[in-house]
Amino acid sequence: KAGVTQTPRYLIKTRGQQVTLSCSPISGHRSVSWYQQTPGQGLQFLFEYFSETQRNKGNFPGRFSGRQFSNSRSEMNVSTLELGDSALYLCASSSERRGEQYFGPGTRLTVT
Amino acid sequence: DAKTTQPNSMESNEEEPVHLPCNHSTISGTDYIHWYRQLPSQGPEYVIHGLTSNVNNRMASLAIAEDRKSSTLILHRATLRDAAVYYCILRDAGGTSYGKLTFGQGTILTVHP
Repeated sequence: KAGVTQTPRYLIKTRGQQVTLSCSPISGHRSVSWYQQTPGQGLQFLFEYFSETQRNKGNFPGRFSGRQFSNSRSEMNVSTLELGDSALYLCASSSERRGEQYFGPGTRLTVT
Repeated sequence: DAKTTQPNSMESNEEEPVHLPCNHSTISGTDYIHWYRQLPSQGPEYVIHGLTSNVNNRMASLAIAEDRKSSTLILHRATLRDAAVYYCILRDAGGTSYGKLTFGQGTILTVHP
């Protein structure tokens, strides 16, 4: 079974721009969660989608948003990028909403 | 979310057992104990989880104290590939923890050849 894939793997953007990251879960998994990892704050939960509905949200500003498609693929969007948004963005999929999560390799976003 | 406390770092020698402790004195009755690890330059990887009884799988064993206020992840024979940050996480089986893992700082495990 193919693992969780994330595209792109690396991205460089300028302050004020917006960015969209993509995540394809393991086949059959309906739950997709997103996390931000920075050296200062560690791994922090952004939000979770299940059957195209956001069911849980972390403590991030409204500039961070996401969606999930009918095939369970998910995207997250960050608008009006700030330097502090530079981070590794990880997505994880799960076969049930409280089951173990399987993480992708992440997208490394650098904001200049 | 209930809090966990782990040592910042631990060291081990290759092929020796490793016991990684985790304290969670405020654990509730519905909290599962999960362990994940993150190898360098990779996303976190699920290791094991349990509720009350000790658990074993191909990667590790999880020993849970009788009062559930602490647990220990056991790697039976450490290899260089086990060098990683290990996270002990409590997940509420009820409530609104859908899809959410709350990561702490974890334990950095160094394995010496």
